[in-house]
Amino acid sequence: QQQVKQSPQSLIVQKGGIPIINCAYENTAFDYFPWYQQFPGKGPALLIAIRPDVSEKKEGRFTISFNKSAKQFSLHIMDSQPGDSATYFCAAVVQGAQKLVFGQGTRLTINP
Amino acid sequence: EAGVVQSPRYKIIEKKQPVAFWCNPISGHNTLYWYLQNLGQGPELLIRYENEEAVDDSQLPKDRFSAERLKGVDSTLKIQPAELGDSAVYLCASSPRWREEQFFGPGTRLTVL
Repeated sequence: QQQVKQSPQSLIVQKGGIPIINCAYENTAFDYFPWYQQFPGKGPALLIAIRPDVSEKKEGRFTISFNKSAKQFSLHIMDSQPGDSATYFCAAVVQGAQKLVFGQGTRLTINP
Repeated sequence: EAGVVQSPRYKIIEKKQPVAFWCNPISGHNTLYWYLQNLGQGPELLIRYENEEAVDDSQLPKDRFSAERLKGVDSTLKIQPAELGDSAVYLCASSPRWREEQFFGPGTRLTVL
């Protein structure tokens, strides 16, 4: 019940396309859903996050869509660029704690 | 502002040998985390410190892993003896306080031969 399931495992998109990464969870006690971006040889860095009381959040070219009833959330990257090529992790935090539960990750490649 | 510093960045050892990883968190950050990241997987929490106190070590394999955070600043994670399955990236993260954004270091990539 603590798992966060992420898909796809890898994704290749042409420059300018809109990659979409999906995550699903079971634990209704999760109340904070961040996305992390990780480049090779670096640690994960917070990209954008959402709480379950809103259905969408945008920050620049990055958008999180959240479906509370389906217990699913997704990351969309608008006008994707080769520099967006990285591994993306969704995560969830248990209410009342700061224990990040990460998804398995998606390796995203944006071709020029 | 300097980020989380970890050393060494890479370590290759033979199985049954001991190994230690060091982490210097962002100045002023009270909360420190150690994570394990296996290849192709998301990080998994090993231990969380609030100042000097280990407040969540439920996922730390205590038969071979140990950690300390003396004076509530730097931290060391030790494995003794290392096993082949310990090959992974060990990430350190810090946050100003519990429940606030975590900032990750670059990690130490351990290879056990």
